[in-house]
Amino acid sequence: DTGVSQDPRHKITKRGQNVTFRCDPISEHNRLYWYRQTLGQGPEFLTYFQNEAQLEKSRLLSDRFSAERPKGSFSTLEIQRTEQGDSAMYLCASSLAGGSVDEQYFGPGTRLTVT
Amino acid sequence: SQKIEQNSEALNIQEGKTATLTCNYTNYSPAYLQWYRQDPGRGPVFLLLIRENEKEKRKERLKVTFDTTLKQSLFHITASQPADSATYLCALDIDGATNKLIFGTGTLLAVQP
Repeated sequence: DTGVSQDPRHKITKRGQNVTFRCDPISEHNRLYWYRQTLGQGPEFLTYFQNEAQLEKSRLLSDRFSAERPKGSFSTLEIQRTEQGDSAMYLCASSLAGGSVDEQYFGPGTRLTVT
Repeated sequence: SQKIEQNSEALNIQEGKTATLTCNYTNYSPAYLQWYRQDPGRGPVFLLLIRENEKEKRKERLKVTFDTTLKQSLFHITASQPADSATYLCALDIDGATNKLIFGTGTLLAVQP
């Protein structure tokens, strides 16, 4: 399967702990996006990379959140000192800038539960 | 304020009928509008994209219209099937440079056999 993959699929953590999620985009895609989705809502944009450069961060992304894409391939999203309000599905998507159709390909998501 | 609204109630229709889903937005000028399908516990899957200068787009049983004056898109599934049951999300691409998407809340479609 050459789609977008995310790891882990589920994470349960205690409040105050740090967590890190990984996203592997489609290999030739140069753009990578992180979104957060809570129950009954659509995905909310968090941040985006073009190659290894992080070009935009949402105001939703507090200082406890950091994302990297060190070699322009996979990306990690870290949440420090987790809070119960961080419980959500974290979705990664990738796309090819300059392609004929600008659709984004989403991974299956990482569901985070903070207890 | 900027808003994207989709039918908040679930849409229940009979198999074989046409499902019509609505997406209304305010205070945006999107370059593109996209529709995605999302099944429970899974990421969204791209269905169709329509540009601001296009009125209508079709793909198999799917049809999307885009009225930038009304600030509305309609998404139609003809000859609906139970397998079409899912949540359908509209998304605005408000910055053609980044392709950052702003999603609506989605409409849950249930097709009864």
